[in-house]
Amino acid sequence: EAGVAQSPRYKIIEKRQSVAFWCNPISGHATLYWYQQILGQGPKLLIQFQNNGVVDDSQLPKDRFSAERLKGVDSTLKIQPAKLEDSAVYLCASSFSVGQRTGELFFGEGSRLTVL
Amino acid sequence: QQQVKQSPQSLIVQKGGISIINCAYENTAFDYFPWYQQFPGKGPALLIAIRPDVSEKKEGRFTISFNKSAKQFSLHIMDSQPGDSATYFCAASNLNAGGTSYGKLTFGQGTILTVHP
Repeated sequence: EAGVAQSPRYKIIEKRQSVAFWCNPISGHATLYWYQQILGQGPKLLIQFQNNGVVDDSQLPKDRFSAERLKGVDSTLKIQPAKLEDSAVYLCASSFSVGQRTGELFFGEGSRLTVL
Repeated sequence: QQQVKQSPQSLIVQKGGISIINCAYENTAFDYFPWYQQFPGKGPALLIAIRPDVSEKKEGRFTISFNKSAKQFSLHIMDSQPGDSATYFCAASNLNAGGTSYGKLTFGQGTILTVHP
């Protein structure tokens, strides 16, 4: 079974530039998450989708971050304009639907962003 | 209320020794407590998880001990091996919540484990 796919793996940009990350979850997983992992810290949830609807975006800096999951499958996370403190690994994860309630999240390998 | 505090930040153990990592939580609504293992350049992967209706769960060399009254849980790695060297994260969520809380994991700060041969 294919895992969660993310691209690009690495991205280096100047501050105030924009960047986009793409995620394709495991087939059949209705729930998709974007986490931000700053070096030396645990992952922090940015946004959670259930199918193509947003369940929780309370910790998403909406003045610069946006995310969408238009067809309920793959998702894009965008940062515009980027700040130095956005340097982090952006992890995408997916899980089974609410009804199955297994609790396990399956993570991709992440997209490492460096803002100079 | 949503925090999960993890200690120690780093741990060095000799091969064959026992590694112990501790976590404490505040939100009494949490009902699912997983441990994730992360190798450099990889995403976290589920190692073992426990629900609060049991005080201990063992899978091979890995054991979770859970103390509901103290709101603490810990990971024990028996017979630690160099291949166990990784970053370990405890986490918590509320699987019985609907709406915005379901499935959302709150992670601890992580413990870098190094097992010397």
